Amino acid sequence: DTEVTQTPKHLVMGMTNKKSLKCEQHMGHRAMYWYKQKAKKPPELMFVYSYEKLSINESVPSRFSPECPNSSLLNLHLHALQPEDSALYLCASSQDSGAGNTIYFGEGSWLTVV
Amino acid sequence: EDQVTQSPEALRLQEGESSSLNCSYTVSGLRGLFWYRQDPGKGPEFLFTLYSAGEEKEKERLKATLTKKESFLHITAPKPEDSATYLCAVRNGGATNKLIFGTGTLLAVQP
Repeated sequence: DTEVTQTPKHLVMGMTNKKSLKCEQHMGHRAMYWYKQKAKKPPELMFVYSYEKLSINESVPSRFSPECPNSSLLNLHLHALQPEDSALYLCASSQDSGAGNTIYFGEGSWLTVV
Repeated sequence: EDQVTQSPEALRLQEGESSSLNCSYTVSGLRGLFWYRQDPGKGPEFLFTLYSAGEEKEKERLKATLTKKESFLHITAPKPEDSATYLCAVRNGGATNKLIFGTGTLLAVQP
C-alpha cells in the first residue's frame, strides 16, 4: 500500500465552487509534489515543495493554489476551474527534491469539473 | 532536449510468455531512471530505480536493466495480474530535477 494518502478519492465540482484536495505522508520526506494526469497520458508536474517552501511552479494557472501547512501535509485549493481541468491529481513525495531521489505517488484524486 | 521514449505502446502476452519492454532516453546527466507500474484509475506504483549503466534490479517476475542509452523491463512468465501500464521516467541534474516520463507501455496478459 502507498504511504502517500490522498483525499478525497473522487470529487465533482461546479465551475464556481471552491474545493480542496488533501495529501499526507508519514515517511519523513521533505519534498512534496502535485502532478496532473489526463487519460492515457503520463503525469505532468504542477508544483514542488521543498522543506515546506514552494520551489517550482510549472506555470500553473492561479485557479490552482497549493499550500504546505507542515512537512507531512500538502493541499491543493481549487477555485473557478474549467471542465478541461478534469483529471487525476496525484500527490507525491521524496526524501528531498534532489536528483536521484525516488518519488513515491499516492493513489490520486479524480476530479470532475461540471 | 531531455526525452524518454517507450516501446511498444501496447503489448499483449499469453500467460507465461516472457517479453521485454524498452525505454530509450536522452538526458543531460542522468541522475536516475525509474520504473513505475500504474493500474487503471490509480497512481503510479514505484518498482525500481537504476543509477548507472550495467545496474540490474529484480522483483518477483520483473527485472530492470540499464545501459547508457536505454533500459529494459524484462517480464518472466507473466501472470494476468501483471497487466498494467508500465511507465519509465528519468531525472536529470538540471535546475528543476524534473521527472521526465515516457508515454508508457500498456501490458495485457491473457490467461
